Amino acid sequence: EPEVTQTPSHQVTQMGQEVILRCVPISNHLYFYWYRQILGQKVEFLVSFYNNEISEKSEIFDDQFSVERPDGSNFTLKIRSTKLEDSAMYFCASSLTGVGMSNYGYTFGSGTRLTVV
Amino acid sequence: EDKVVQSPLSLVVHEGDTVTLNCSYEVTNFRSLLWYKQEKKAPTFLFMLTSSGIEKKSGRLSSILDKKELFSILNITATQTGDSAVYLCAVEEGDSSYKLIFGSGTRLLVRP
Repeated sequence: EPEVTQTPSHQVTQMGQEVILRCVPISNHLYFYWYRQILGQKVEFLVSFYNNEISEKSEIFDDQFSVERPDGSNFTLKIRSTKLEDSAMYFCASSLTGVGMSNYGYTFGSGTRLTVV
Repeated sequence: EDKVVQSPLSLVVHEGDTVTLNCSYEVTNFRSLLWYKQEKKAPTFLFMLTSSGIEKKSGRLSSILDKKELFSILNITATQTGDSAVYLCAVEEGDSSYKLIFGSGTRLLVRP
């Protein structure tokens, strides 16, 4: 069964450092997303990406965050200058399309646990 | 503000019991409601509901949506210890980006 692959599974970084979280979405999917889950809290939407541009972003997704699909297969989330409160599990997801399609396939990756110290 | 509220927050039952998990929502541009099971890491898909009153079933799990009253339930019959997990309700929202708005989840513990 196709999977969304995320690397690394766990990353520890010092406050102020830049981190790049990597995701390989399912190959024929068109929509890409990043979510985060702070320990013990809800899964929160960060950003959606379609047709090589951001289609929507949340208030959390400020200027410290950026996304890129550099080579047609990888989908990356960059945090420029990490803060302690960026510590969370970051999930990538991809989907073929939205509601109503039988092969909807909104699939999450296993996540990257980011710890900022 | 769009929101998704799940209840109860946690539940402890014994194997063989039947449980009902609740999800209510207030979302401006509703597209669909989804249920996920989260054990250790990634949420895994259970159901997607778009129409009111049509029950979806998968083995011992079933779910139904009421778009008039803005809620959904997830039923698990004859629970097993392997059903222990956090069950997440999410509403797909928006005209173009298909983002998901999640509830806080219901933590289910099934004791032997």
